Amino acid sequence: NAGVTQTPKFRILKIGQSMTLQCAQDMNHNYMYWYRQDPGMGLKLIYYSVGAGITDKGEVPNGYNVSRSTTEDFPLRLELAAPSQTSVYFCASRLGTVERNTIYFGEGSWLTVV
Amino acid sequence: EDQVTQSPEALRLQEGESSSLNCSYTVSGLRGLFWYRQDPGKGPEFLFTLYSAGEEKEKERLKATLTKKESFLHITAPKPEDSATYLCAVQAGIYNQGGKLIFGQGTELSVKP
Repeated sequence: NAGVTQTPKFRILKIGQSMTLQCAQDMNHNYMYWYRQDPGMGLKLIYYSVGAGITDKGEVPNGYNVSRSTTEDFPLRLELAAPSQTSVYFCASRLGTVERNTIYFGEGSWLTVV
Repeated sequence: EDQVTQSPEALRLQEGESSSLNCSYTVSGLRGLFWYRQDPGKGPEFLFTLYSAGEEKEKERLKATLTKKESFLHITAPKPEDSATYLCAVQAGIYNQGGKLIFGQGTELSVKP
């Protein structure tokens, strides 16, 4: 049981390039999330999904896209990377029942845009 | 607007010196308040969930409490391995499809031997 797995761990992108951050969970969780964390700031929600085929925007969605074709996977796509997207990205998931409501996080993906 | 504020931003303690971290919140119908620990270079690690005012939970040297406006994370006789950033987050119960969390900015705790 690996929990929430993110790849890559580190990536350097040039301005204007695109890439996908991968996220997979093996806990059969319905809900999945993408957060970004900037120094001295709390985690900000980018996108979330309540189940396969259903996604919605969070607080800071501009410059990103997501898809949820399976329960397990929730990739985050960065189009036309900008320096403002330099950040640490965390994927998270939860089951979503009243009794099991805890959100579990992956180890993070460090992205630098130069 | 739902909001979470943590204080202090940073806290330095000597080993064995007990203290408390504060998390104040305004939220539309609290569904849950969460505490996480985050080590450098790692993702947040779940510590506690509190659901209603008056509730308390403990784990080793940590004890979390909840009132209608704030939560405290009490650290008793801390050790250097307790050094980390502690994050507080709330889950609103109203207009919150997806059960999203709103995070505070964190308190960076350093415990010196």
